[in-house]
Amino acid sequence: DVKVTQSSRYLVKRTGEKVFLECVQDMDHENMFWYRQDPGLGLRLIYFSYDVKMKEKGDIPEGYSVSREKKERFSLILESASTNQTSMYLCASSSNLPQNYEQYFGPGTRLTVT
Amino acid sequence: DAKTTQPPSMDCAEGRAANLPCNHSTISGNEYVYWYRQIHSQGPQYIIHGLKNNETNEMASLIITEDRKSSTLILPHATLRDTAVYYCIVRVAITNDYKLSFGAGTTVTVRA
Repeated sequence: DVKVTQSSRYLVKRTGEKVFLECVQDMDHENMFWYRQDPGLGLRLIYFSYDVKMKEKGDIPEGYSVSREKKERFSLILESASTNQTSMYLCASSSNLPQNYEQYFGPGTRLTVT
Repeated sequence: DAKTTQPPSMDCAEGRAANLPCNHSTISGNEYVYWYRQIHSQGPQYIIHGLKNNETNEMASLIITEDRKSSTLILPHATLRDTAVYYCIVRVAITNDYKLSFGAGTTVTVRA
């Protein structure tokens, strides 16, 4: 079974703090993704990576950065957390094979910025 | 990506089959049908996907009509743990298209 783990289930941070969200997958997947999910807005892609040290902006990259130094690990960084970044953050991974593009998600991190 | 239409909610009795419909009348020839579900406060979970043929795995079966304009996800023996929001997604499987567009989905409630 594919396993995607995220460093925290719940996190509370103060405005202006630097926040690190870690994601690890154990399926040797090439692709990794960071989404945020908000009520009424669905799932929105922040960044994705298709290889080590490679990254691409998604739909809402502003205020975020990412790091992928190892294949299995993809980190999301909030440089200076703001209250509008309070959300559920979801990491996912997928293979690079067209017939296996399904994405496997982690349990999510519910981040509250006060 | 083609748009999908799903009923907003449905109830199912525990132990019975749950049949979840999805309309995707504008689907094009190179688009796959994917199903995911999301249990409350958890990340989405991949269930199954298909292109033309019916598919079955340990979780569910996917029936795609011959004209591919609609599909049905079947949970053969629903349990209380299958209570979730189920999403039907149609997307092209190409290298540079990674977006997953989750619509409102169908909220499935399995009752004892």
